[in-house]
Amino acid sequence: KAGVTQTPRYLIKTRGQQVTLSCSPISGHRSVSWYQQTPGQGLQFLFEYFSETQRNKGNFPGRFSGRQFSNSRSEMNVSTLELGDSALYLCASSLGTGPFEAFFGQGTRLTVV
Amino acid sequence: AQTVTQSQPEMSVQEAETVTLSCTYDTSESDYYLFWYKQPPSRQMILVIRQEAYKQQNATENRFSVNFQKAAKSFSLKISDSQLGDAAMYFCAYRSPNTGNQFYFGTGTSLTVIP
Repeated sequence: KAGVTQTPRYLIKTRGQQVTLSCSPISGHRSVSWYQQTPGQGLQFLFEYFSETQRNKGNFPGRFSGRQFSNSRSEMNVSTLELGDSALYLCASSLGTGPFEAFFGQGTRLTVV
Repeated sequence: AQTVTQSQPEMSVQEAETVTLSCTYDTSESDYYLFWYKQPPSRQMILVIRQEAYKQQNATENRFSVNFQKAAKSFSLKISDSQLGDAAMYFCAYRSPNTGNQFYFGTGTSLTVIP
């Protein structure tokens, strides 16, 4: 069974640009969540998509957005990048109901210069 | 808001010895789940163990076990017979269906295993 796949693994962008990250969940999983991990703030929840609908959202500015497709694949977009957006972005895949555990991808390391 | 606290930023253990990582959490919910995740240098978060709050029995997975004290809101992880491959960052996490199902993570404990 394939795991959670995140692409790309590494990205370097310039301030002001926008970026799109992709996450392919485990087959059969309908929930995809995104987390930002930084040394200073730790792991922070961005948002969760379940069956193509945003079900929950963390406390991030509107520059951070996402979507989920009918095959459960999800994309996260960050517009007008700031230096502080440099982080490891982790995607978590789960069934979305019950006492589920989340399966994480290896993350996308975003560096904003 | 739910908070998860890991008071030990770093821990070390001799190979084959036992180590306990601490975690406390704050919640007013009665229905929730607790997890320990491991993040090795490869960065991928791996589930170590899970505990449902309604279960009184402490979860165990091979060399990993937890001490779940619901009244004290404490959820510690014990690693027995530590191995070099156990070296990683360990995160305690909380989730509740009543608060959006998102994971709330602690700040992590970096575990070093000394040969």
